[in-house]
Amino acid sequence: AQTVTQSQPEMSVQEAETVTLSCTYDTSESNYYLFWYKQPPSRQMILVIRQEAYKQQNATENRFSVNFQKAAKSFSLKISDSQLGDTAMYFCAFMNFYNTDKLIFGTGTRLQVFP
Amino acid sequence: DTGVSQDPRHKITKRGQNVTFRCDPISEHNRLYWYRQTLGQGPEFLTYFQNEAQLEKSRLLSDRFSAERPKGSFSTLEIQRTEQGDSAMYLCASSSGQGNTYEQYFGPGTRLTVT
Repeated sequence: AQTVTQSQPEMSVQEAETVTLSCTYDTSESNYYLFWYKQPPSRQMILVIRQEAYKQQNATENRFSVNFQKAAKSFSLKISDSQLGDTAMYFCAFMNFYNTDKLIFGTGTRLQVFP
Repeated sequence: DTGVSQDPRHKITKRGQNVTFRCDPISEHNRLYWYRQTLGQGPEFLTYFQNEAQLEKSRLLSDRFSAERPKGSFSTLEIQRTEQGDSAMYLCASSSGQGNTYEQYFGPGTRLTVT
């Protein structure tokens, strides 16, 4: 069974600084997707960034980028130029490439951006 | 695109009562998912549909839980004989199931409190 581990329950960063959130996962599959989702306080979850395991290039979306280390089964999220609006819970999630669409989530990291 | 909607947003019920939640996916999406999120945890997969067919059910979904998507549009999740352990946020998500994005769009959730 696949598992996703986020070892940082809480992180904080000053506005305009850079922060990295960690995620590791366990799977025996070779093809899969990895995601970072953001859940702001009292608001719905939205997708931040997605990585296909068969792609060697790390995904980037504006201020958000990932460091995908397939051999180490590591998938960290880097947020550059942090903004107050980045304050949220961040969930790392895994999806098997074949025969299922379900997302397997980690326990989340609460990120606080302060002025 | 009005997004995924869920109704009600909050439900308080007494132990032993039945409750039903509704989810309206994004109109052109043929896949619909239910997740449960307890405090301090990431969402856990419950079940998902492709059109009206229920393709996968988690072992978390006990016999007291039933989900339907009768016409391949909206879905309902019913919990019979509620227990205090059912208190959680119930999230619905939808996706187009096309292309290679596999992005799931989440609704705001229904928060259930069982007293």
